[in-house]
Amino acid sequence: NAGVTQTPKFRVLKTGQSMTLLCAQDMNHEYMYWYRQDPGMGLRLIHYSVGEGTTAKGEVPDGYNVSRLKKQNFLLGLESAAPSQTSVYFCASSYMGAQETQYFGPGTRLLVL
Amino acid sequence: AQSVTQPDIHITVSEGASLELRCNYSYGATPYLFWYVQSPGQGLQLLLKYFSGDTLVQGIKGFEAEFKRSQSSFNLRKPSVHWSDAAEYFCAVGASGGSYIPTFGRGTSLIVHP
Repeated sequence: NAGVTQTPKFRVLKTGQSMTLLCAQDMNHEYMYWYRQDPGMGLRLIHYSVGEGTTAKGEVPDGYNVSRLKKQNFLLGLESAAPSQTSVYFCASSYMGAQETQYFGPGTRLLVL
Repeated sequence: AQSVTQPDIHITVSEGASLELRCNYSYGATPYLFWYVQSPGQGLQLLLKYFSGDTLVQGIKGFEAEFKRSQSSFNLRKPSVHWSDAAEYFCAVGASGGSYIPTFGRGTSLIVHP
């Protein structure tokens, strides 16, 4: 039982490049979330999903897209990376909504030059 | 809308001293309350949670938290801090009634002096 895994762990991009961050969970959770963490800003929600085939915008969705084609996977895409997207990205999942415990992945550190 | 405030950005304690991290929330009904810990370079891990019942909640690693409705607070405590407790601590609130998105505080960084 791996819990929540994230790929890759670290990545360096040049401005304008694209990439996809992969989140996978093996707990059969319905809800999945993508956050970014920046110094002094806490966790900010980018996008979330309440089930396979659904996605919704969070607090800071601009510049990101997501897809949930399979229940266990939640992909975060950057179409044209910008230095402002340098951050640590965390994926989380929960069985149901906000009243349930969130299980977090180990994070992806992204540097955009 | 719900909100969470962690008034202390940094807290410094000596090893063996007691600890209290503050969390205040704003929410109309009884909230679902959580404390998470983030060790350096790691994701967040649940310490404890409150849904209902006994207002004093026990968690992992010797932590406890007390829900005080009159003060809208959910403070985290530990009687004796260990050096390994140095980490970032996040308070979070989740709403009932089908809400999908929990609200996190900005976190409190705990520094432990030997």
